[in-house]
Amino acid sequence: KQEVTQIPAALSVPEGENLVLNCSFTDSAIYNLQWFRQDPGKGLTSLLLIQSSQREQTSGRLNASLDKSSGRSTLYIAASQPGDSATYLCAVVDTGGFKTIFGAGTRLFVKA
Amino acid sequence: NAGVTQTPKFQVLKTGQSMTLQCAQDMNHNSMYWYRQDPGMGLRLIYYSASEGTTDKGEVPNGYNVSRLNKREFSLRLESAAPSQTSVYFCASSERYQPQHFGDGTRLSIL
Repeated sequence: KQEVTQIPAALSVPEGENLVLNCSFTDSAIYNLQWFRQDPGKGLTSLLLIQSSQREQTSGRLNASLDKSSGRSTLYIAASQPGDSATYLCAVVDTGGFKTIFGAGTRLFVKA
Repeated sequence: NAGVTQTPKFQVLKTGQSMTLQCAQDMNHNSMYWYRQDPGMGLRLIYYSASEGTTDKGEVPNGYNVSRLNKREFSLRLESAAPSQTSVYFCASSERYQPQHFGDGTRLSIL
């Protein structure tokens, strides 16, 4: 059974710091891995999607990497801003393309 | 552009009551999903519909039924609500293998 773990559960950093969020999964038979952002009381917003054949994806200040063989992904946020404060969730999609397993998320607080 | 719309946003039920959560998307996506989110547990897939006319169980389907009414709409029904079903319910849509787009959720309390 696929399990997804995110470490740390919560993180507080000063504005401007670069940071890394970690995601690990137990079954390497995935089709893709997605990173989402969730603001309080809101739904999820897709940030990056990495296909299983890819090693990384970048969008602005965000960079996500994937090491499928070791079951790990990282989300790198450069020059963090108070507006980055949110919960970040990773999710893996199985090879069928539909069943999605989420981690519990990392709650990020960026201090001004 | 509304994206994914869920109704209602909040609901309080008594144990044993039934209700249907509604979801509609305007992005012409083939696939739709229902999740529940509980504190500290992330999202768990209840049911999904790969395309109009099909539905399949996810990780936690017990106590729920779904209907894919048409390409736009996917409803989730609780036939006899239980306190363990108190949660925030999210609907999402996507094309296969593509990022999922989420609604803002329905906050459901069962007393």
